[in-house]
Amino acid sequence: DAGITQSPRHKVTETGTPVTLRCHQTENHRYMYWYRQDPGHGLRLIHYSYGVKDTDKGEVSDGYSVSRSKTEDFLLTLESATSSQTSVYFCAISEQGLAGGGTQYFGPGTRLLVL
Amino acid sequence: AQKVTQAQTEISVVEKEDVTLDCVYETRDTTYYLFWYKQPPSGELVFLIRRNSFDEQNEISGRYSWNFQKSTSSFNFTITASQVVDSAVYFCALSEAQGNTGKLIFGQGTTLQVKP
Repeated sequence: DAGITQSPRHKVTETGTPVTLRCHQTENHRYMYWYRQDPGHGLRLIHYSYGVKDTDKGEVSDGYSVSRSKTEDFLLTLESATSSQTSVYFCAISEQGLAGGGTQYFGPGTRLLVL
Repeated sequence: AQKVTQAQTEISVVEKEDVTLDCVYETRDTTYYLFWYKQPPSGELVFLIRRNSFDEQNEISGRYSWNFQKSTSSFNFTITASQVVDSAVYFCALSEAQGNTGKLIFGQGTTLQVKP
């Protein structure tokens, strides 16, 4: 199994508070991704990174920001959490970009509840 | 636009039955990659297989087999002699070789319940 951890695994927070989720990998993979999974919407890409300090938006990036200061860590921040951001968040990594046929390996997920 | 359709929302079988999960995709690209992932009740997403668009050879891994047919844009997944541990949500996904990083599109998933 790919060495990917996510923290926290569960979080309950209140509307309007900032929240940071952490993804940590030990595989030295270049590419990292944040997805959210919601019933009826499947998995949707929030942001991704193609190297240290190199990030770009996915299809549902509004309300989220990311940072990657080290190869092994990719942080997802909800600047001011809203109830619509209640979801399960998955981090993924890949050695190659998807354009090159890279395979994404997923972390265990973080369940976030915004009250 | 690329799209992945898993028309079967839920499937229920009895243990030891064979079951096939359907996946139909749409893409205008000639180079693309197809994937299957498993999400058991514990919630993690487990990679099962990757297939590129130039390799139509079917693959078998134990009780799992995959049938890739470009002519029908399908990448179906068969579990032979199903077991209770196969109960999970299965996702088919497509990525195209475009841009710098490509994009992975998931189907809505098929929930498989294997009853003892």
